[in-house]
Amino acid sequence: DAGVIQSPRHEVTEMGQEVTLRCKPISGHNSLFWYRQTMMRGLELLIYFNNNVPIDDSGMPEDRFSAKMPNASFSTLKIQPSEPRDSAVYFCAGSQAVGNTIYFGEGSWLTVV
Amino acid sequence: GDSVTQMEGPVTLSEEAFLTINCTYTATGYPSLFWYVQYPGEGLQLLLKATKADDKGSNKGFEATYRKETTSFHLEKGSVQVSDSAVYFCAGEGAGSYQLTFGKGTKLSVIP
Repeated sequence: DAGVIQSPRHEVTEMGQEVTLRCKPISGHNSLFWYRQTMMRGLELLIYFNNNVPIDDSGMPEDRFSAKMPNASFSTLKIQPSEPRDSAVYFCAGSQAVGNTIYFGEGSWLTVV
Repeated sequence: GDSVTQMEGPVTLSEEAFLTINCTYTATGYPSLFWYVQYPGEGLQLLLKATKADDKGSNKGFEATYRKETTSFHLEKGSVQVSDSAVYFCAGEGAGSYQLTFGKGTKLSVIP
């Protein structure tokens, strides 16, 4: 089992640029989550998909953030335009179903300068 | 809403010392409880879990017991190693809920 795969692992970009983070969940996992981790706020849930459908996006900070899940094996989190305060680690995570253990990817470490 | 409170760090211990990291939760009903570990530069890994009262989760020498009466899930290890240096997160998931509520994390440093 390859686990949750995220790319890129590290990205440094300039303010105003578009950033796209990618996630391949574990096969058979129907629930997918995007989290953001910062020193100030800790771990925050940004958005939750179930069976490729966004269920809860109340954690998405503003319109600059968007997420898609076109199929069961791929999701993206996009920031456009990016700002320095978006610098954080973004985690993709998944589970087989509601109530099952959630498994995390290794994260995408984003720095916006 | 649900909340998880864990002891603030950082915690610094000598190798072979005993470790306790306190975690308490507030939730409607009885959540499933988890400890995740994050090693430097890596993502979160599930360390152990317990899904009902009096369950004990264990892994890699770490243990935690789900105490309903004190709403606690304290992490313990009898003899820590330098390789245990990491950030430990307590988390809870309400029954039927999709959302994990995390504590703020406790950074553990083990010195030789």
